[in-house]
Amino acid sequence: DSGVTQTPKHLITATGQRVTLRCSPRSGDLSVYWYQQSLDQGLQFLIQYYNGEERAKGNILERFSAQQFPDLHSELNLSSLELGDSALYFCASSVAGTVHQETQYFGPGTRLLVL
Amino acid sequence: EDQVTQSPEALRLQEGESSSLNCSYTVSGLRGLFWYRQDPGKGPEFLFTLYSAGEEKEKERLKATLTKKESFLHITAPKPEDSATYLCAVQARNDYKLSFGAGTTVTVRA
Repeated sequence: DSGVTQTPKHLITATGQRVTLRCSPRSGDLSVYWYQQSLDQGLQFLIQYYNGEERAKGNILERFSAQQFPDLHSELNLSSLELGDSALYFCASSVAGTVHQETQYFGPGTRLLVL
Repeated sequence: EDQVTQSPEALRLQEGESSSLNCSYTVSGLRGLFWYRQDPGKGPEFLFTLYSAGEEKEKERLKATLTKKESFLHITAPKPEDSATYLCAVQARNDYKLSFGAGTTVTVRA
């Protein structure tokens, strides 16, 4: 158990809908990262938050947005869903985004299926 | 752009048959190279971080090594419970995101 929690574990929805994925980082971790894992793309970085502020963006679609709240939990919002958004979404956390060398610990993931 | 290539894509081993996985990378200044293990439908589980060429780390039957262009994950006398996908990732000096390879799926038969 990494200490990172994600809810829900599974999500089934229809095209055009909007969903929210939730992540709680390990106790004491200030940075949260979101990754998408699909069969054809592998693990891809989406976005990073550090202590409530957006720090880095990867290949995140404009239909996707995220935020980190004062209690440091984070939410990833996916809207106007398409079939191709079906994937595993992982959250990871690390102590701080400013230390030279650090490790990201991953949560169990949310499996999203868009029908 | 950071690039990570893992080989082979899949590896089938007999219990006790040692082998190595390769991770080749290009990155503009390496902050760290990470190895993770991932079981089907689960999140990646951290194994090792390597920071500089020549560094080695060990954990049970696994040993990771690093050169300036590649990393190896050696599995010594594997057991069926070592069956998993092993992921390699790099973190650039000017960034915090991890760039992952496609992984090597290891199957160990009893």
